Amino acid sequence: GNSVTQMEGPVTLSEEAFLTINCTYTATGYPSLFWYVQYPGEGLQLLLKATKADDKGSNKGFEATYRKETTSFHLEKGSVQVSDSAVYFCALPLNSGNTPLVFGKGTRLSVIA
Amino acid sequence: GAGVSQSPSNKVTEKGKDVELRCDPISGHTALYWYRQSLGQGLEFLIYFQGNSAPDKSGLPSDRFSAERTGGSVSTLTIQRTQQEDSAVYLCASSPDRGNTEAFFGQGTRLTVV
Repeated sequence: GNSVTQMEGPVTLSEEAFLTINCTYTATGYPSLFWYVQYPGEGLQLLLKATKADDKGSNKGFEATYRKETTSFHLEKGSVQVSDSAVYFCALPLNSGNTPLVFGKGTRLSVIA
Repeated sequence: GAGVSQSPSNKVTEKGKDVELRCDPISGHTALYWYRQSLGQGLEFLIYFQGNSAPDKSGLPSDRFSAERTGGSVSTLTIQRTQQEDSAVYLCASSPDRGNTEAFFGQGTRLTVV
């Protein structure tokens, strides 16, 4: 099945710093790719997704581009805020079709004022 | 309801006891998943239900774990003879049957085995 490797943290940044969290994947075909976020004390929620190669997903100032050449889906934000402190997970379907998502181990981001 | 609902939100049990965790998926979602989130271990897939098909149990860590889904809706994850290593957050998610689509997660049940 498909797999994902995610940069492990923790990552600590000052407010307004640039953020990159690396994610690379191994997959058959071109599955949808996802970033999920887990804020402190909350459940996982979808942050953004891209459904085909070269697509850019974006939400809340975060962006990630589906790059088939490098099999990557790195998460970026130009200027982080304290409220972005959370754990971020890269994910993709285990197989084609409606199958469980397989997740990276998560990257904990702490943003300090 | 509007989202995936899990109960209880917290459960403390004694080693050796059985526990049942409940998940109410989003209405109309045909796929339902259970994951386990342990400290520092990320999300571990446990079991997957898709419509009326036989569930994919390939992620269950031992035969102490089982799950059922009644009427294609509510699901119960049962852990028999709990062990301390079962302590984790158990997450349920559901998704519509559109292939390659996002999963919607509940808040999870935090299980502590003492």
